[in-house]
Amino acid sequence: DTGVSQDPRHKITKRGQNVTFRCDPISEHNRLYWYRQTLGQGPEFLTYFQNEAQLEKSRLLSDRFSAERPKGSFSTLEIQRTEQGDSAMYLCASSRGLAGGDGDTDTQYFGPGTRLTVL
Amino acid sequence: GEDVEQSLFLSVREGDSSVINCTYTDSSSTYLYWYKQEPGAGLQLLTYIFSNMDMKQDQRLTVLLNKKDKHLSLRIADTQTGDSAIYFCAESEDSSYKLIFGSGTRLLVRP
Repeated sequence: DTGVSQDPRHKITKRGQNVTFRCDPISEHNRLYWYRQTLGQGPEFLTYFQNEAQLEKSRLLSDRFSAERPKGSFSTLEIQRTEQGDSAMYLCASSRGLAGGDGDTDTQYFGPGTRLTVL
Repeated sequence: GEDVEQSLFLSVREGDSSVINCTYTDSSSTYLYWYKQEPGAGLQLLTYIFSNMDMKQDQRLTVLLNKKDKHLSLRIADTQTGDSAIYFCAESEDSSYKLIFGSGTRLLVRP
């Protein structure tokens, strides 16, 4: 299967601990996105990368959050000093990054997500 | 700021048509999308529409866009039990840019 994969699928941690999630995009996809989804809500954009460059960060991404994509392939999202409010599903998506022509879109393909529970 | 609104819940009988509605506020939205989310699965892109179009049909799916009213709808013809899921409306300003999602409409298809 060559879809977007995320690891781990579930993570339970205690408040104050650090956690790190990994996302492996579809190979040859230049863009990689992180979103967060809380219960009953739609996904909210956190950040995205064009190759290894982080191009935008949402104001939702506090100083405790850091994302990297060191070689332009897989990405990691780290949360330091977790809080109960960080409990959510963290979704990764990737796209080719091609500029859209008239009517074309650069489809984002989503992974299954990492569900984080902070106790 | 950008905002996308959807009704929370829709229940239909198998074989009927379903219509899921969405409104958005960002007048610079150029692409509008419908995603489907099933339990334990990732988001799946169903269809999208470019803002210079007012309708797009893809098999059982019909998307209508009223740009003046900033209203988007998804019609599913001959709804099946396998269509039960959460449907998200999303918009973006650019074809290759962050998506702004609504809170989702849970569709329940009754046998």
